[in-house]
Amino acid sequence: DAEITQSPRHKITETGRQVTLACHQTWNHNNMFWYRQDLGHGLRLIHYSYGVHDTNKGEVSDGYSVSRSNTEDLPLTLESAASSQTSVYFCASSESWETQYFGPGTRLLVL
Amino acid sequence: GNSVTQMEGPVTLSEEAFLTINCTYTATGYPSLFWYVQYPGEGLQLLLKATKADDKGSNKGFEATYRKETTSFHLEKGSVQVSDSAVYFCALSDRNTGNQFYFGTGTSLTVIP
Repeated sequence: DAEITQSPRHKITETGRQVTLACHQTWNHNNMFWYRQDLGHGLRLIHYSYGVHDTNKGEVSDGYSVSRSNTEDLPLTLESAASSQTSVYFCASSESWETQYFGPGTRLLVL
Repeated sequence: GNSVTQMEGPVTLSEEAFLTINCTYTATGYPSLFWYVQYPGEGLQLLLKATKADDKGSNKGFEATYRKETTSFHLEKGSVQVSDSAVYFCALSDRNTGNQFYFGTGTSLTVIP
């Protein structure tokens, strides 16, 4: 069955370190998204991609970057981790403007 | 622009009680509307959707009707179970603004036996 996976599921890092969160989908979807989930804010869009080599900034993109070198993967990089980036991160994919499919999430703690 | 507003939580109900979670939206075009559910420790799962006005989405006993006149998509269930305890997110997608989704802040539901 097609699926979307994220790794690691849990990560503890220190302020200033570079961190990369992986997202891999086997749906063969063109569209992929990164969100962060924080209490009181729901899900906020960080970056998204509509295809290989396409990337776009979302609502809260400062301090984050993505690259899309193939259809299946959209890694999210925190260039220099900050305590404000402690959050739960979700990756999602979709074929069209209908129905996004979500990964299980990565819980990141920045000390 | 596009946005979703849903009722504040948390909501606590007894088993077999009636559930309503309110959701209203603002959209520039003709959106599709969704309810997603997030069980503890998991990602979001699609619960139901409606793609045009007056459509009713339904799944697992949950229902929501796309009301264009009131710009609403309220989630209802006639008799909740303990296993329905989760966080529920209302969302919209508007084909005129690409493939982005706009989510509400989520409503936490706890059902007690």
